[in-house]
Amino acid sequence: AQSVSQHNHHVILSEAASLELGCNYSYGGTVNLFWYVQYPGQHLQLLLKYFSGDPLVKGIKGFEAEFIKSKFSFNLRKPSVQWSDTAEYFCAVNDKIIFGKGTRLHILP
Amino acid sequence: GAVVSQHPSRVICKSGTSVKIECRSLDFQATTMFWYRQFPKQSLMLMATSNEGSKATYEQGVEKDKFLINHASLTLSTLTVTSAHPEDSSFYICSASDTGAYGYTFGSGTRLTVV
Repeated sequence: AQSVSQHNHHVILSEAASLELGCNYSYGGTVNLFWYVQYPGQHLQLLLKYFSGDPLVKGIKGFEAEFIKSKFSFNLRKPSVQWSDTAEYFCAVNDKIIFGKGTRLHILP
Repeated sequence: GAVVSQHPSRVICKSGTSVKIECRSLDFQATTMFWYRQFPKQSLMLMATSNEGSKATYEQGVEKDKFLINHASLTLSTLTVTSAHPEDSSFYICSASDTGAYGYTFGSGTRLTVV
């Protein structure tokens, strides 16, 4: 069965700090991986996705994620966060888009 | 880019009544749509996969007779919550994909409150 685990439930950072949100998945076949963001009061938006090819994926707003097959991981990173990055971040896997429980990111101005 | 419209955005209904939620792909044809439910401060839970022209596939634990899904065209899927009860109050979200090649586009969600 597919599953997604996000380790950090609530992360608080200061502006300009570096960010890494963990995501591990469980699936026996070929994976498609996604990171979505949900800003306060808004609906889900796609940040980036991995289907195949270069395991380092660059998305919108300076985010990137690296697919490490041996670790079953797809961690989200950003070198320097901004206050506007305050949101909930969801990692998701495959066709049915099975979501992790989300990570609430709070950036202190 | 791809747009998915969900309607209504908010609905309040009386216990025992039925509510229909629409999910439309506005600028692409969606062979597959997904329906999710999101409880406060929790993740999205996949309820069912809606396939155009065929029966929906429900996830384990989701009552298909309570949550009726109809995907009659390539641009419209509907979710009907039948005989709604207060515990059905939640945020319902749909997403659509043409082939999945571009990721999935989400609707803005419907907040259902059953009183």
